[in-house]
Amino acid sequence: DIQMTQSPSFLSASVGERVTLSCKASQNINKYLDWYQQKLGEAPKLLIYNTNNLHTGIPSRFSGSGSGTDYTLTISSLQPEDVATYFCLQRNSWPYTFGAGTKLELK
Amino acid sequence: QVQLKESGPGLVQPSQTLSLTCTVSGFSLTSYSVHWVRQHSGKSLEWMGRMWSDGDTSYNSAFTSRLSISRDTSKSQVFLKMNSLQTEDTGTYYCAREGYYSSSFDYWGQGVMVTVSS
Repeated sequence: DIQMTQSPSFLSASVGERVTLSCKASQNINKYLDWYQQKLGEAPKLLIYNTNNLHTGIPSRFSGSGSGTDYTLTISSLQPEDVATYFCLQRNSWPYTFGAGTKLELK
Repeated sequence: QVQLKESGPGLVQPSQTLSLTCTVSGFSLTSYSVHWVRQHSGKSLEWMGRMWSDGDTSYNSAFTSRLSISRDTSKSQVFLKMNSLQTEDTGTYYCAREGYYSSSFDYWGQGVMVTVSS
């Protein structure tokens, strides 16, 4: 199975700050990488699919990049409503595997 | 609009079988695939399996032969059955639709919490 490693596990940032979350795959996943946001008590929500495609209705402050084994989610200007845990998911190979998540809080 | 809703027992005894239903609306199961994903106590997510739009299934080998996914298209329902439950199967179980173009999980149910305990 492909292992997905997210870093950091926990991040504290200020409103308006630029935030970068990382996800590293144990092998090349050919850009089949999604990012999901999960707020407390809610189901995950798709933010970005196939590395850099913004899902419908997602604010443009979210963006994704990467290739091969290394991928990044960037929030250009952190907002209070962005407090959540962020998970990456690889869909290159079965079984699909998620990262352990990055918990993002406000400083 | 697109909706998915999981239902099933909140408590299952060890060694027993878990049966969950995902009832969907706003789309057809013959056009979209539906996946099952579980989460242990707010921790990471684990992909369990998939009901393809053509009725085929795929499973995570981590569940070996314990897991079965089926559907009733006339009722817009997808079913999950998993036997030989253990306490480590406690968690929240989600069904999610696979997007037509993105192939990602574009809509999720609210999840159903399952506790395995005697």
